[in-house]
Amino acid sequence: QVQLVESGGGVVQPGRSLRLSCVGSGFTFSVNGMHWVRQAPGKGLEWVALIWNDGRDKAYADSVKGRFTISRDNSKNILYLQMNSLRYEDTAVYYCVRDIWIGSDKFLDYWGQGTPVTVSS
Amino acid sequence: EIVLTQSPGTLSLSPGERATLSCRASQSVSSNYLAWYQQKPGQAPRLLIFGASNRATGIPDRFSGSGSGTDFTLTVTRLEPEDFVLYYCQHYDTSAITFGQGTRLEIK
Repeated sequence: QVQLVESGGGVVQPGRSLRLSCVGSGFTFSVNGMHWVRQAPGKGLEWVALIWNDGRDKAYADSVKGRFTISRDNSKNILYLQMNSLRYEDTAVYYCVRDIWIGSDKFLDYWGQGTPVTVSS
Repeated sequence: EIVLTQSPGTLSLSPGERATLSCRASQSVSSNYLAWYQQKPGQAPRLLIFGASNRATGIPDRFSGSGSGTDFTLTVTRLEPEDFVLYYCQHYDTSAITFGQGTRLEIK
């Protein structure tokens, strides 16, 4: 079965960096685009970044553009999110999510359990 | 940028009743890229509906989606106690994802 397991979250000071990882299993990792989606405490879902299956194309939310970098290693089935210049408002649970096409439909199907990031001085 | 507005923010109903949740897009969108998710407390979201009206694997048939253009609806018939949680609609643009702000279904 499809599994996505995130790691790397923790408490970090403003302005510092953190790298999140997500290991995918139970599917051919290199076939699917992958996303990071976050959820601040008590708030809704916010899309963060997308990387195409081959890693060549990426897209970011305006709120993280220039600070966060999404990448992947298809040989190891790992998705990454490098977060630099962290701000208080980046505090959230970060989810790794699989992207999929079925026919003409495009959507997000499997979600990891999330890894919490707290930006605090 | 497409904005999704969900209404109501909170819906109070009783078990066994029917729930109708709305998701309105700021401009016309393709039904192919509209999905609904359910989120229980402390858990990751779960896919319910994709392509506006297709149930995901394992989702009970009391959940259904409909709509087109700018107006989409998630309907839950015969509400069960475990259905009283949060629901989000989502749109997939060319290279960005947008979520609605969510509708909370609560027991009346």
